Amino acid sequence: LAKTTQPISMDSYEGQEVNITCSHNNIATNDYITWYQQFPSQGPRFIIQGYKTKVTNEVASLFIPADRKSSTLSLPRVSLSDTAVYYCLVGEGFYTGGFKTIFGAGTRLFVKA
Amino acid sequence: NAGVTQTPKFQVLKTGQSMTLQCAQDMNHEYMSWYRQDPGMGLRLIHYSVGAGITDQGEVPNGYNVSRSTTEDFPLRLLSAAPSQTSVYFCASSVGTGVSGELFFGEGSRLTVL
Repeated sequence: LAKTTQPISMDSYEGQEVNITCSHNNIATNDYITWYQQFPSQGPRFIIQGYKTKVTNEVASLFIPADRKSSTLSLPRVSLSDTAVYYCLVGEGFYTGGFKTIFGAGTRLFVKA
Repeated sequence: NAGVTQTPKFQVLKTGQSMTLQCAQDMNHEYMSWYRQDPGMGLRLIHYSVGAGITDQGEVPNGYNVSRSTTEDFPLRLLSAAPSQTSVYFCASSVGTGVSGELFFGEGSRLTVL
């Protein structure tokens, strides 16, 4: 299993861009990188997923370098409602027979006014 | 569209009691899983299933049993509850492996064991 390392917490101000970096040195060839967001008393919610290079959707961008040993979630112009815990996931590859999705401790983002 | 439904939302047990947390999904997803989340912590995988009749252990399976008799349902059983099992439990499902596919989570079941 590829373990992930993220900062425990980050602070930001409304309107700023926030970048959260995740390290996953042992990522396997078939692994995808996925980010989830969790608000208090709710289940995690999917934000974005990628395999390599850059992925962008209406909520965030995901940057993955060529060696895929890290990834960066970018949240443009955060608001108070983006205060949440963000999880970086790297699971076992589909073709290796593993289906475990392991969550780390996540990064607590606190957005201030 | 209900998605993933967990019941009950809250439960208080005494040590040694048994109970079942129910999880149902109406998206015809093959993959289902159970996580627990302790205060201020991330989610830890308890058990998972890649289809009806197939289950496997996650990171913290001790004290929990699961079965998957249908695609829709994935109940989690606590045979003899312990205070260490006080936690919030989340059920999740995915159309695929759960890695190269989006996980959909239920709203959680908060369990307190006295």
